[in-house]
Amino acid sequence: DGGITQSPKYLFRKEGQNVTLSCEQNLNHDAMYWYRQDPGQGLRLIYYSQIVNDFQKGDIAEGYSVSREKKESFPLTVTSAQKNPTAFYLCASSIGGTNQETQYFGPGTRLLVL
Amino acid sequence: GNSVTQMEGPVTLSEEAFLTINCTYTATGYPSLFWYVQYPGEGLQLLLKATKADDKGSNKGFEATYRKETTSFHLEKGSVQVSDSAGYFCALSDKAAGNKLTFGGGTRVLVKP
Repeated sequence: DGGITQSPKYLFRKEGQNVTLSCEQNLNHDAMYWYRQDPGQGLRLIYYSQIVNDFQKGDIAEGYSVSREKKESFPLTVTSAQKNPTAFYLCASSIGGTNQETQYFGPGTRLLVL
Repeated sequence: GNSVTQMEGPVTLSEEAFLTINCTYTATGYPSLFWYVQYPGEGLQLLLKATKADDKGSNKGFEATYRKETTSFHLEKGSVQVSDSAGYFCALSDKAAGNKLTFGGGTRVLVKP
């Protein structure tokens, strides 16, 4: 089955720790995205990548970092500089190019700070 | 910049009632419009979309029409079921803004039997 997988489903972080959230897709999509969702709110774009080895900051990139070494993988690191990391994190992908507009989402990772 | 405004929830309905969720947008270019649905604890699923003015998107009994004159994309369903209880998100994608999605704040819908 083609799709987007995110792991783990729940992640706990201690103060001052960096954590990395995994996102993998086997849809052969060029573009990948990371969003943050806070309770009762919409999604905000953290980072996105339109092609391997290239990525751009979204609206709320501070305290986060990404890499795009492989087409199918787009891991997100939440660093200790992110002061309020507790949220639901969603990864998405799209075909890319002029047809990149429809994004498909993974099941999400819920990050909790202890 | 681009923005999406949708009615705040929660919206509570009885089964078989008519559902409308209002969505209006502001965009610098000619956006495509989307409705996504999120069931509790899950990611977002594309519900329907429309790519140009007067297009109607439809899926699973839900419909929305792209109204350029009123910059709106209201979601409707004639007869809701308990299984329609979810969060609904309106979004736009604007080629002028690199096709990034801009989301509304979401509307939670609760359907009671």
